[in-house]
Amino acid sequence: EAQVTQNPRYLITVTGKKLTVTCSQNMNHEYMSWYRQDPGLGLRQIYYSMNVEVTDKGDVPEGYKVSRKEKRNFPLILESPSPNQTSLYFCASSSLAAGGNTEAFFGQGTRLTVV
Amino acid sequence: GEDVEQSLFLSVREGDSSVINCTYTDSSSTYLYWYKQEPGAGLQLLTYIFSNMDMKQDQRLTVLLNKKDKHLSLRIADTQTGDSAIYFCAETGTGNTGKLIFGQGTTLQVKP
Repeated sequence: EAQVTQNPRYLITVTGKKLTVTCSQNMNHEYMSWYRQDPGLGLRQIYYSMNVEVTDKGDVPEGYKVSRKEKRNFPLILESPSPNQTSLYFCASSSLAAGGNTEAFFGQGTRLTVV
Repeated sequence: GEDVEQSLFLSVREGDSSVINCTYTDSSSTYLYWYKQEPGAGLQLLTYIFSNMDMKQDQRLTVLLNKKDKHLSLRIADTQTGDSAIYFCAETGTGNTGKLIFGQGTTLQVKP
């Protein structure tokens, strides 16, 4: 079954304690990205990767890091989380199809609370 | 810049039609999408439309695209309680980068 798997689904942490949210896809997609969802703001892209070892900033990258050492995995790292990073996070993957049809597959989401 | 706007809330009665509207700014977007998010779940692609089309119908869903006005709508016929969810409009933006630009999401409430 084609899927994007994120872990953990829920996380409560304290300010400044480093954490990693994992993301894995089994569709051999080139493109992966991280979004955060906040009420009234929709989804905003944090970072994206167009292939292995190729990552770039999205619209709201401050306070986040990513890596893409393998095609299937795209972890999101918060080196020193702060309360304003409390949010619902989604990982997504898609194939960079010719013609630009970007059908994205989303993980189930990670609800992060930073206290 | 790239921007997508949606109204935040829509309430309809079961059996009625729902129309969710979206406006976007990037006229170079090749594809426009509608995603559905059920409570506690990720986003699922509902349907999409290529930018050179005016309309696309898929069972109870009808997508209308007015490229001149940069207006996209999703009509759900015979709305059911299971259609209650948040609906996101998204565009591909400039170039084939894989990026999607999302609207704020419209919460659809279906009353029995």
